[in-house]
Amino acid sequence: KQEVTQIPAALSVPEGENLVLNCSFTDSAIYNLQWFRQDPGKGLTSLLLIQSSQREQTSGRLNASLDKSSGRSTLYIAASQPGDSATYLCAVIRRNAGNMLTFGGGTRLMVKP
Amino acid sequence: ETGVTQSPTHLIKTRGQQVTLRCSSQSGHNTVSWYQQALGQGPQFIFQYYREEENGRGNFPPRFSGLQFPNYSSELNVNALELDDSALYLCASSLAQGALRNTEAFFGQGTRLTVV
Repeated sequence: KQEVTQIPAALSVPEGENLVLNCSFTDSAIYNLQWFRQDPGKGLTSLLLIQSSQREQTSGRLNASLDKSSGRSTLYIAASQPGDSATYLCAVIRRNAGNMLTFGGGTRLMVKP
Repeated sequence: ETGVTQSPTHLIKTRGQQVTLRCSSQSGHNTVSWYQQALGQGPQFIFQYYREEENGRGNFPPRFSGLQFPNYSSELNVNALELDDSALYLCASSLAQGALRNTEAFFGQGTRLTVV
């Protein structure tokens, strides 16, 4: 059974700081890993998708890495802004599990001006 | 915007009632998945439909059922509502082609269900 854990559960940082969010998963046989952003009471916005053959993906100030052998992914946010405040979720698609996403519990980020 | 739309956005039901939630998938996508997200937790997989057939199910009782239509839109039905069914229900669409699973999932804005 795939289990996904995100650390820390909550994070508060001053504006401008570079930060790293962590995601770990127990089963390395995955198709891909996806990072999402969720604003309070809203749906999920896809940030980055890393396929199993890739090691990282970048979009603007975001960079996500994937190390399947150690069961870890990190989301790096450069020069954080108050608008980055949200919950960040990682999810994996496990092989032989259809397109089912298994989510971590999320990291709640607050960036203070 | 993702192109995935859900209706209604909010709903209040009484324990024991039945509810139907709707989802229109993104154009070109053939797979729809439903997730339940309790407050403060990550989404939990309910089930998935691919080409109008259930293609995987999470740990949810049979009173959670669904449909997918020829245009790939989908419904989630919940019978005999319980207080613990109160949650945000999320629909995701993606494109699956044979064994290809390396596709990005796009989510709707969710339906907030409150059972009283």
